[in-house]
Amino acid sequence: QVQLVESGGGVVQPGRSLRLSCAASGFTFSSYGMHWVRQVPGKGLEWVAVIWYDGSNKYYGDSVKGRFTISRDNSKNTLYLQMNSLRTEDTAVYYCARDRGQRTTEIDIWGQGTLVTVSS
Amino acid sequence: EIVMTQSPATLSVSPGERATLSCRASQSVNNNLAWYQQKPGQAPRLLIYGASTRATGIPARFSGSGSGTEFTLTISSLQSEDFAVYYCQQYNNWPPGVTFGQGTKLEIK
Repeated sequence: QVQLVESGGGVVQPGRSLRLSCAASGFTFSSYGMHWVRQVPGKGLEWVAVIWYDGSNKYYGDSVKGRFTISRDNSKNTLYLQMNSLRTEDTAVYYCARDRGQRTTEIDIWGQGTLVTVSS
Repeated sequence: EIVMTQSPATLSVSPGERATLSCRASQSVNNNLAWYQQKPGQAPRLLIYGASTRATGIPARFSGSGSGTEFTLTISSLQSEDFAVYYCQQYNNWPPGVTFGQGTKLEIK
């Protein structure tokens, strides 16, 4: 079945870095755009970044631009999010999610999320 | 940046009744609008895309309408499993990106 499994979350100090991974299975990973979306527990959804199916284009939300980098390895069916210069306000559950198309449309498959806590 | 505004923030409805949720965009998004349902402790689930097309496996009691800046999600006869938080999302603007509304909590009256 179609599945996205995030890993790499945890507790990190402000100013440090963390890399999230998302392992995809059950579909042709290289045919879909992929997103990261985050959610502070008890709050709403915030889009973080998207990467197109072939990795040719990447776009970011304003709050993470210049600090986070989305990437993918289609040979490993894996999506990544490199998070640098972390701030306390980056604390959230991070969801890996599949676009319904190759680029940027709606999101049809979501992982279960990984919690990132930025705290000293 | 396109801002998505959902109303009301909380909606109290009795089971079996109809629920109507609204989403407004700060500028036209054509019909590039999706709706999601999220239950506590779960990831969101896609309900509607293209403003009015039900996603795979979504019951017919869920329907979406609207275009441009005004959109509506209607649940025709509420079931117990429908009480959740609902988000709208646009994907129309350039550069390509996504914006979510702040959510509407649908609770049992």
